[in-house]
Amino acid sequence: GQNIDQPTEMTATEGAIVQINCTYQTSGFNGLFWYQQHAGEAPTFLSYNVLDGLEEKGRFSSFLSRSKGYSYLLLKELQMKDSASYLCAGMDSNYQLIWGAGTKLIIKP
Amino acid sequence: DVKVTQSSRYLVKRTGEKVFLECVQDMDHENMFWYRQDPGLGLRLIYFSYDVKMKEKGDIPEGYSVSREKKERFSLILESASTNQTSMYLCASRSGFNYGYTFGSGTRLTVV
Repeated sequence: GQNIDQPTEMTATEGAIVQINCTYQTSGFNGLFWYQQHAGEAPTFLSYNVLDGLEEKGRFSSFLSRSKGYSYLLLKELQMKDSASYLCAGMDSNYQLIWGAGTKLIIKP
Repeated sequence: DVKVTQSSRYLVKRTGEKVFLECVQDMDHENMFWYRQDPGLGLRLIYFSYDVKMKEKGDIPEGYSVSREKKERFSLILESASTNQTSMYLCASRSGFNYGYTFGSGTRLTVV
């Protein structure tokens, strides 16, 4: 079957660094997406990885290891506005996104 | 700024009513999707469409139907609303298979 696993909730301190992990099992693989979703709002695109390695975009970075079926989202210099849910989604061989349930990130002052 | 627009942010309907949720995108995207999102369950695909007049069932199509008469518009229909269809409904579109989705702002539907 197809499955995406990520922690349900994480807590971090303003100014710190947090890593949100995601493991995936998909039928075929066409890339791994990360989305941010603030409470009551729509998900917004953060990153897309299809090759192994780290992609950096400002304070956010995303890493992929295809051999391990593993990805992480790294958030640096955390700000209160980063409090949100972070959704991991793998794209299968039919180019459909398989979604994780999301990780709720709580930032404390 | 590119947009996916859902017609209503909040809706309250009665059990047994026929409900229409409208989604319009202005990006000339081929692919459109309807999801529902419930706490702890993540996004679940209801229906999708890769072209005008084309529709495919997703993972949870029961109790729903869709219509795509024009490229920019993808409608979700609840034939006879039930309380277990109370949820957040999200519409999304993308320009091609290897692209990310752009989501609408969502419709929070309550069926009483």
